[in-house]
Amino acid sequence: SSELTQDPAVSVALGQTVRITCQGDSLRSSYANWYQQQPGQAPVLVIYGKDNRPSGIPDRFSGSSSGNTASLTITGAQAEDEADYYCNSRDSSANHYVFGTGTKVTVL
Amino acid sequence: QLQLQESGPGLVQPSQTLSLTCTASGGTIISSSYYWGWIRQPPGEGLEWIGSIYYSGSTYYNPSLKSRVTMSVDTSKNQFSLKLSSVTAADTAVYYCARVTIYYFYGMDVWGRGTTVSVSS
Repeated sequence: SSELTQDPAVSVALGQTVRITCQGDSLRSSYANWYQQQPGQAPVLVIYGKDNRPSGIPDRFSGSSSGNTASLTITGAQAEDEADYYCNSRDSSANHYVFGTGTKVTVL
Repeated sequence: QLQLQESGPGLVQPSQTLSLTCTASGGTIISSSYYWGWIRQPPGEGLEWIGSIYYSGSTYYNPSLKSRVTMSVDTSKNQFSLKLSSVTAADTAVYYCARVTIYYFYGMDVWGRGTTVSVSS
């Protein structure tokens, strides 16, 4: 299956830690990349290749992976981290991509 | 720093062909390090990968849209384009173009701002 499943919504208290998960068979052979999308804006790549951050992304964002599950962790969540988060992976055999269903993160 | 900008009609009639162009500035699309992709997002919904193209013209399409999608590249204009035929209301979405960076494990690290396309008569 090429589907990636995420929890629809999670909440986190300001300054606390939240983990977002992404499950799918393609993750057994391909790393997940993670995107943050603020309302009305284009997505922004925050984690690539399991646990790498593009320039400018705060180090409170980290990634991990095990089996068919990838995770994005925000350690010390800030108000500006409230957004939708999407995982995606690549099917290397066909050079196809799939996005996760998305998780809305609310910072309380 | 590379920037991408989508352009095209904001309104398309049902059964017609949606045509969008993505123009790159501040960098070239001729590079072995990147693919160039189209992604869409229906109102209130998640992201959907439409397809990707290499500067050489090699294309890769979402199987669910493959029969209706055509992508092309114009290196002389630093542009790549999307055509989606036989559109219906279900194709109403924000359409984004993006750069896919191979050494970022194929992460999409540069995105256009997106353009809203409505399918309606």
